[in-house]
Amino acid sequence: GAVVSQHPSRVICKSGTSVKIECRSLDFQATTMFWYRQFPKQSLMLMATSNEGSKATYEQGVEKDKFLINHASLTLSTLTVTSAHPEDSSFYICSARNRGPPDTQYFGPGTRLTVL
Amino acid sequence: KQEVTQIPAALSVPEGENLVLNCSFTDSAIYNLQWFRQDPGKGLTSLLLIQSSQREQTSGRLNASLDKSSGRSTLYIAASQPGDSATYLCAATGSARQLTFGSGTQLTVLP
Repeated sequence: GAVVSQHPSRVICKSGTSVKIECRSLDFQATTMFWYRQFPKQSLMLMATSNEGSKATYEQGVEKDKFLINHASLTLSTLTVTSAHPEDSSFYICSARNRGPPDTQYFGPGTRLTVL
Repeated sequence: KQEVTQIPAALSVPEGENLVLNCSFTDSAIYNLQWFRQDPGKGLTSLLLIQSSQREQTSGRLNASLDKSSGRSTLYIAASQPGDSATYLCAATGSARQLTFGSGTQLTVLP
């Protein structure tokens, strides 16, 4: 089956620093990637939709200047959390859309971000 | 805006019991509905995907049904095992392929 990787799997940083998370589709081309975040004991919330070669579409309430998304190639999207604060600590998961067949999404293993 | 609700929030059953997890969604214009499993601190494992034109899907001891008109899906787990203990998430896929997740059901199967 299709594989999506995320790097790093876990990161701890100081408040005020920026952190970059990579999402890669390893064996298929993904024109669309999605970024989700999950707070402890809560469900996943869509943050933004990333289309290759164009600007990301952010969900209501998600600050685009804080969560920078770049989708420069058909196999790579990055999420940069700028000037991270403790409230940004969360589990970030990406998914990549394989247009198929079948047209489905494959999820990465997630990145645990802890901001001190 | 799509809203997905899962009940119960938590469920504890003895090993061997059959069980049903419920999922409801407010917007019936979905592309598909998926059930996932998530172990503590881990990512998602896709269990079953039901296309909007389908009524159910089966994989081993798992059976998922979909009733678009009533906005409901159920996940049936037969002969539950301790290894089935996890959080089960359902997600409705919209026309732009974005997923809206429910809050999950935390299942504990007691040996």
